[in-house]
Amino acid sequence: EAGVAQSPRYKIIEKRQSVAFWCNPISGHATLYWYQQILGQGPKLLIQFQNNGVVDDSQLPKDRFSAERLKGVDSTLKIQPAKLEDSAVYLCASSLDRGDYGYTFGSGTRLTVV
Amino acid sequence: QKEVEQDPGPLSVPEGAIVSLNCTYSNSAFQYFMWYRQYSRKGPELLMYTYSSGNKEDGRFTAQVDKSSKYISLFIRDSQPSDSATYLCAMSVSSNTGKLIFGQGTTLQVKP
Repeated sequence: EAGVAQSPRYKIIEKRQSVAFWCNPISGHATLYWYQQILGQGPKLLIQFQNNGVVDDSQLPKDRFSAERLKGVDSTLKIQPAKLEDSAVYLCASSLDRGDYGYTFGSGTRLTVV
Repeated sequence: QKEVEQDPGPLSVPEGAIVSLNCTYSNSAFQYFMWYRQYSRKGPELLMYTYSSGNKEDGRFTAQVDKSSKYISLFIRDSQPSDSATYLCAMSVSSNTGKLIFGQGTTLQVKP
């Protein structure tokens, strides 16, 4: 079974620039998550999709972050404009369904904002 | 106050030691408790999953939940250098949400 694919692995941008991250979940997984992990902290949920609908985006800074899940499969997370405090690892995870805590995480995209 | 507190360590032990990792939490509504292991520059991977109070054992790993004390533990027996990683506890209030609240992680180093 292929894992959760994320790209790019690393990205360095200047503040106020925009950036996008891509995630391809495990085939057949209905639920997709984007988590933000700041250095030295645990992951924090940004947004959760069930198929192509948003279930929870309560912690997504909507003035600068946006996300979509095309046709209930791939997902992109965008930041525009980026701030220094957005420097973090952005982790995508998927699970069979909402009640399945057996997440599979991707390796993440490490973003550095300078 | 954070919902989930975890000592960041680092914790350094000799190979073969018994390791105890702990988390405390403030939200009494948490019912689902997990431990994830995260190697450097990798995503977290699920180690143990427990519902409500009690113990669960899987090989060298034992998870304990004490809801009355709002305290969970992960024990690693016969620790190996390959166990060197960051261990994250995670919790959820409901079986329907999927949303996890993570602790900040404890970094463990097992020395040969």
